[in-house]
Amino acid sequence: AQSVTQLGSHVSVSEGALVLLRCNYSSSVPPYLFWYVQYPNQGLQLLLKYTSAATLVKGINGFEAEFKKSETSFHLTKPSAHMSDAAEYFCAVTPPNQAGTALIFGKGTTLSVSS
Amino acid sequence: SAVISQKPSRDICQRGTSLTIQCQVDSQVTMMFWYRQQPGQSLTLIATANQGSEATYESGFVIDKFPISRPNLTFSTLTVSNMSPEDSSIYLCSAVRGGGFTDTQYFGPGTRLTVL
Repeated sequence: AQSVTQLGSHVSVSEGALVLLRCNYSSSVPPYLFWYVQYPNQGLQLLLKYTSAATLVKGINGFEAEFKKSETSFHLTKPSAHMSDAAEYFCAVTPPNQAGTALIFGKGTTLSVSS
Repeated sequence: SAVISQKPSRDICQRGTSLTIQCQVDSQVTMMFWYRQQPGQSLTLIATANQGSEATYESGFVIDKFPISRPNLTFSTLTVSNMSPEDSSIYLCSAVRGGGFTDTQYFGPGTRLTVL
């Protein structure tokens, strides 16, 4: 079965510093991969998704993620953190070639940004 | 994109009662799902809401506890029945518009349920 592991339940960075949130998947066949963000008291918003096209995926708000099959990873990065990036981030997968199936989520990583 | 609204946004309920959560999408969608997010936890899929037929439940979730309806392509309800404090969670509705493998899944703002 598909699963997702997010290393680090809490990441703290200073404003302007690099953001790195880690995500590893377990699957013999590369799945489709997603990063969602959840701001306090709000629903989930899609940041970016990997769907077997380019391995480096650019998303909204300056975030990007790189799919590395050899490492079964899909880490999320942003060169310079902003205070508004403070939120909960979820990595999720869906099996390939399964149209419109539900997502399997990681446990989430809380990002804190200090001034 | 799809805009999804949920009602109520939050509620505080007594043990043993039931609550029905409504999910409305601003346009027709192919798939609708219900997730639960327990305090400090990730999202867990409860069921897929099928239009015109019974929902498909994940392991650990049953229809008697979480009856779901989906009368049309834009609306679904989830009922949390005979509630206990363990049901205190955020319940999120999501939807996929297309039938393609890469179609984005959109989420509602969630319903924050507290059971006393």
